[in-house]
Amino acid sequence: DAGVIQSPRHEVTEMGQEVTLRCKPISGHDYLFWYRQTMMRGLELLIYFNNNVPIDDSGMPEDRFSAKMPNASFSTLKIQPSEPRDSAVYFCASRASGSSETQYFGPGTRLLVL
Amino acid sequence: KNQVEQSPQSLIILEGKNCTLQCNYTVSPFSNLRWYKQDTGRGPVSLTIMTFSENTKSNGRYTATLDADTKQSSLHITASQLSDSASYICVVSASGAGSYQLTFGKGTKLSVIP
Repeated sequence: DAGVIQSPRHEVTEMGQEVTLRCKPISGHDYLFWYRQTMMRGLELLIYFNNNVPIDDSGMPEDRFSAKMPNASFSTLKIQPSEPRDSAVYFCASRASGSSETQYFGPGTRLLVL
Repeated sequence: KNQVEQSPQSLIILEGKNCTLQCNYTVSPFSNLRWYKQDTGRGPVSLTIMTFSENTKSNGRYTATLDADTKQSSLHITASQLSDSASYICVVSASGAGSYQLTFGKGTKLSVIP
């Protein structure tokens, strides 16, 4: 099992640019989560999907952030336009329903907005 | 407001020694509590999960305890190894119909030195 796959692993961009982060969940998992981690705030849940449908996006900081899950094996988190305060590590995680609710995290995307 | 407080913020111990990390929470209604280990540059990995009725759970040299009355949890690491150097994150889940509410602690950074 390849685990949760995220790309890119590192992204450096300039303020105002569009950033797209990608995630491939573990096959068979029907829940997908996007998190952001910073030193100041720790891990924060941004949004999660169940069966490709967004269930709770209350953690999305503002309209500049959007997430999609067009199919069971792919999700994107987009920031447009990006700002320096968006610099963080973004994690994607997935889990299977009916399990112990354990989420499996990807390796993260380290984003730096200059 | 749901909160999870972890202590200490950081800890340095000698290899082979034991240590205990603390987690206090004010999350309601409580569903379960998890401890995650996060190595530098990687995503968190689940160590233990405990529900309201469980007061202790072990995973190798890691033992987690839960006191639901005082809303406290601890993670005890026995005979520490250099590979235990990581951040340990306490996560509390609140039960709620149709929603997945997680509250994260900011973690304890453990350094095991030879």
